[in-house]
Amino acid sequence: GQQVMQIPQYQHVQEGEDFTTYCNSSTTLSNIQWYKQRPGGHPVFLIQLVKSGEVKKQKRLTFQFGEAKKNSSLHITATQTTDVGTYFCAGLVYNQGGKLIFGQGTELSVKP
Amino acid sequence: DGGITQSPKYLFRKEGQNVTLSCEQNLNHDAMYWYRQDPGQGLRLIYYSQIVNDFQKGDIAEGYSVSREKKESFPLTVTSAQKNPTAFYLCASSIGGFIYEQYFGPGTRLTVT
Repeated sequence: GQQVMQIPQYQHVQEGEDFTTYCNSSTTLSNIQWYKQRPGGHPVFLIQLVKSGEVKKQKRLTFQFGEAKKNSSLHITATQTTDVGTYFCAGLVYNQGGKLIFGQGTELSVKP
Repeated sequence: DGGITQSPKYLFRKEGQNVTLSCEQNLNHDAMYWYRQDPGQGLRLIYYSQIVNDFQKGDIAEGYSVSREKKESFPLTVTSAQKNPTAFYLCASSIGGFIYEQYFGPGTRLTVT
C-alpha cells in the first residue's frame, strides 16, 4: 500500500546546529501534516501544508511542501534542547480512502 | 479543560485475554481514531469513526474491535486473536475527517505476556 518514507530515522546534533527531516511519497498528497512527540509523550500537531510549493515558518521551524506535492521537509535552525523528540510527517492520500499515512518519524537528540 | 483522556496509562494482561482500552474526549469532535505505535515505526491506523454508530477498519484492524455509541467515547478492544498485542496505543480525535489536525490522548502502553 501507499507509504510515506521519512529520513533520517535518527539525528544527533550539538545544540545550536541545524536539523532537517525529509518526507517522501510515491504518490501525490492532498496535504501533509507534521507532528512532534516528546520522549514518553504523545504526538502534538505542529502544522498543515496544503498548496504546492508552500512554505510556512514557526519561529525556528520551517516547513516546506514540494512543487509536485510528493515531498516535504522540516528544518530547525539553531536547535535547542527543547527540540528533542520525534518528528512525524503524515500525508493525506485520497486513493487510500482519504486516510492519513504517517512516516516512520525522525528522532532528534540534542547534546547541550 | 478540554482534551482526550485514555486510561489506564499502563496495562498488563495475560495472553488469551481480551482487554478494552478507554478513550474519552470532551472536544465535541465528530471523528475519533485509534493508532498503534511500535518502536521505530510510525503510527498505524487500527480503526476510525467519523460519526456516532459508524466506524471503519484502518490498515491493521485484525484482532481489534471498537464501538462508537456516544460521541465522546471510542473504546478499543484488543482480542486474543491479535497476534502481537504488546504496543503503545494512541487515541485521537478531530473536528471532521483526516483533513483536520488530530488531537492525541496520552496513550496506553499495553503489555501482554
